[in-house]
Amino acid sequence: KAGVTQTPRYLIKTRGQQVTLSCSPISGHRSVSWYQQTPGQGLQFLFEYFSETQRNKGNFPGRFSGRQFSNSRSEMNVSTLELGDSALYLCASSWGSDRSYEQYFGPGTRLTVT
Amino acid sequence: GNSVTQMEGPVTLSEEAFLTINCTYTATGYPSLFWYVQYPGEGLQLLLKATKADDKGSNKGFEATYRKETTSFHLEKGSVQVSDSAVYFCALSDPYNQGGKLIFGQGTELSVKP
Repeated sequence: KAGVTQTPRYLIKTRGQQVTLSCSPISGHRSVSWYQQTPGQGLQFLFEYFSETQRNKGNFPGRFSGRQFSNSRSEMNVSTLELGDSALYLCASSWGSDRSYEQYFGPGTRLTVT
Repeated sequence: GNSVTQMEGPVTLSEEAFLTINCTYTATGYPSLFWYVQYPGEGLQLLLKATKADDKGSNKGFEATYRKETTSFHLEKGSVQVSDSAVYFCALSDPYNQGGKLIFGQGTELSVKP
């Protein structure tokens, strides 16, 4: 079974621009969660989508948004990029129900903001 | 709120040494506990899990027991190998209250020397 895939793997953007990251979950999984990983703050939860609805949200500004499509694929958008948004962005998928809440992670997208 | 605290690294061991990485948590409700491992340049891999008190998770020679009385989930391995060198993250989820949100500890870097 194919794992979680994320595209692109690497991105370089300029401050003020916007960026869209994509995540394809494991087949059958309905939940996709997004995390930001930085050396200073560690791993922080951004938000979770389940069946096209945002089910949970972390403490990030409104510049960070996401959505999920009917095939469970998810996108994350960051508008008006700041230097501090440079990070590894990880997505994880799970069944998201009583069947299992185990999360499986993709390889991440490394975003560099200059 | 819920939180996870791990022992600080880096931890440096010789091959075949015994490994313990301490993890304690604070949570309301009935969390599930996880250990994830991250190799350089990669995403997180689920190493083991425990979903209720006194459960023992195990995988690839690693073990951890969910201790509710001490709110701990320490990771152990009897004989480490060079290939175990990575960053290890302890995490908790409270799926019935917080859906797919994982809360991570700060990570512990392990370096195993031949």
